Amino acid sequence: DTGVSQDPRHKITKRGQNVTFRCDPISEHNRLYWYRQTLGQGPEFLTYFQNEAQLEKSRLLSDRFSAERPKGSFSTLEIQRTEQGDSAMYLCASSFVQGAAEKLFFGSGTQLSVL
Amino acid sequence: AQKITQTQPGMFVQEKEAVTLDCTYDTSDQSYGLFWYKQPSSGEMIFLIYQGSYDEQNATEGRYSLNFQKARKSANLVISASQLGDSAMYFCAMSEANQAGTALIFGKGTTLSVSS
Repeated sequence: DTGVSQDPRHKITKRGQNVTFRCDPISEHNRLYWYRQTLGQGPEFLTYFQNEAQLEKSRLLSDRFSAERPKGSFSTLEIQRTEQGDSAMYLCASSFVQGAAEKLFFGSGTQLSVL
Repeated sequence: AQKITQTQPGMFVQEKEAVTLDCTYDTSDQSYGLFWYKQPSSGEMIFLIYQGSYDEQNATEGRYSLNFQKARKSANLVISASQLGDSAMYFCAMSEANQAGTALIFGKGTTLSVSS
């Protein structure tokens, strides 16, 4: 079990550029989530996949954001035309259900800084 | 709307002492789940403990226990025998309807500092 892996760990970009992040979940987990965390706040839900299907999206996910999970394994989160307000930690999590609880396992995140 | 409130921005405790981190929640759902996560400086969110709304007994996981008071809508985390490695940010979170595949709602977190 190698855990949830995210790449890159840090990304610095200029306003208006596009960025793409990758998440590799734990292999036997079929659910994958993206969250965003800004300084001093808890994570906020962005979107969720079950296998390759994107089942839920937050209102926080503007049209500039798109997420994919093409083969039900790794996922990518793309932000187009980045804005300074997009600066945040982007966390990926995968999950399995144990008993009554779905336990999310998070990666270490991608820290995005938009200059 | 569901909401998680963590009123303690920071807590300080000495090694080997017990500490309680407060969490209150607001929901109109009868079925929900409550979670605690630890976030060290590395950024990774580490699952600590889970309590279902219908669970009659308080959840325990090693040195962690969840003091669940349903009528007060509180789900405090108790860490016994604190260790230096416990220094981190702690988040309380709730899932609606105790269902899989739903978003977790997080509080703003409490920073715990453990000193020797």
